[in-house]
Amino acid sequence: ETGVTQTPRHLVMGMTNKKSLKCEQHLGHNAMYWYKQSAKKPLELMFVYSLEERVENNSVPSRFSPECPNSSHLFLHLHTLQPEDSALYLCASSPYPRVAGGRGTDTQYFGPGTRLTVL
Amino acid sequence: AQKVTQAQTEISVVEKEDVTLDCVYETRDTTYYLFWYKQPPSGELVFLIRRNSFDEQNEISGRYSWNFQKSTSSFNFTITASQVVDSAVYFCALRSGATNKLIFGTGTLLAVQP
Repeated sequence: ETGVTQTPRHLVMGMTNKKSLKCEQHLGHNAMYWYKQSAKKPLELMFVYSLEERVENNSVPSRFSPECPNSSHLFLHLHTLQPEDSALYLCASSPYPRVAGGRGTDTQYFGPGTRLTVL
Repeated sequence: AQKVTQAQTEISVVEKEDVTLDCVYETRDTTYYLFWYKQPPSGELVFLIRRNSFDEQNEISGRYSWNFQKSTSSFNFTITASQVVDSAVYFCALRSGATNKLIFGTGTLLAVQP
């Protein structure tokens, strides 16, 4: 399997449920990202992991909890979500720019996303 | 502050027409990178092109071409002889040379009618 994969592709959950989104990259990258894409809004960066360490957290509510056990896998654990959290959640991976000297091939490659609906 | 503006929310063309998608960016950095991504209805963001701020050469790839002009802070994308399969939302994005954070525009929905 190549590229960036995400499971599940679609998820419907109640506000009291706990679920997890999974992302896996087969590109040999060392940075992974979670983005949220809501209707009529620009893509919002949620979390960045480089070499399995969280390097950025853009003031995301604690009901979203990321986990990066290794450079190929990234999870987003969800609990007690709100209806406004319904969105497309996209995962991406890239070589970490600093490793490439800031001018390397830092392009982010995206997965197909998980369409989340919170009832 | 960094910002990307895609003023065209939706564009509709008929197949075989040429179409240009506009992108204007703002940054104070001297080193930065610009990107275009395509998002078809399936949802996946497909990488199309990456340019760095030191390279203003225009690029052509098949029916796609990009016009990078630092003087006007623009990075426009032209599709020649559009096809129905080009129908998608197209995003322009900016990354500062100092960070790995991508700033996206709001996207342009391109509908190519047969």
